[in-house]
Amino acid sequence: QSVLTQPPSASGSPGQSVTISCTGTSSDVGAYDYVSWYQQHPGKAPKLLIYEVYKRPSGVPDRFSGSKSGNTASLTVSGLQPDDEADYYCNSYAGRSNFVIFGGGTKLTVL
Amino acid sequence: QMVQSGPEVKKPGASVKVSCKASGYHFVNFGVAWVRQAPGQGLEWMGWISAYNGNRDYAQKFQGRVTMTADTSTGTANMELRSLRSDDTAIYYCARCDRLGLSWLDPWGQGTLVTVSS
Repeated sequence: QSVLTQPPSASGSPGQSVTISCTGTSSDVGAYDYVSWYQQHPGKAPKLLIYEVYKRPSGVPDRFSGSKSGNTASLTVSGLQPDDEADYYCNSYAGRSNFVIFGGGTKLTVL
Repeated sequence: QMVQSGPEVKKPGASVKVSCKASGYHFVNFGVAWVRQAPGQGLEWMGWISAYNGNRDYAQKFQGRVTMTADTSTGTANMELRSLRSDDTAIYYCARCDRLGLSWLDPWGQGTLVTVSS
């Protein structure tokens, strides 16, 4: 099954900003504006942060923002807080053949 | 919210059925997707079903081995996986999704641990 490419790890100090990339192809990320981002703390279920590239569900702080350029989507976390330390996953619609695919995940460490 | 059934232990070759009870929203207006996570690994999309019309799509990897159903009378979605192997050991999550199954997954169930072991 196809997997979107994310860096395995990212880090930043409290108050700083960090950006996590999610690289796909012209058949998934580049073709559709159906990219979502999820946060997962250890032992917990994932939580939706961003959907349709840049939209935030109610209750998600505006410190979390999403964007896309070509085949790469990005999640930016501004004003890092200790509780932001978690795993982050992107996913994208990939057409009728693969439907939905996930990235491999990025472990964010707040130094 | 989405509340899932309890942990399961199965032998190789057996089948498992995981249920997911939805509440707090109009069940038929959305879909339910299933995602699994092997120990220490990332998320893997398995498929989804529309509670509106029963349409479903499965990831190619699971086609022929998985069946997803949705009972609109009880607001419950079920996922059955057959011919279990040891590498099917994982936490299985259900999540509400948009009506076309293309976009967001929210909220997620608490997860159901399925252990496949002889």
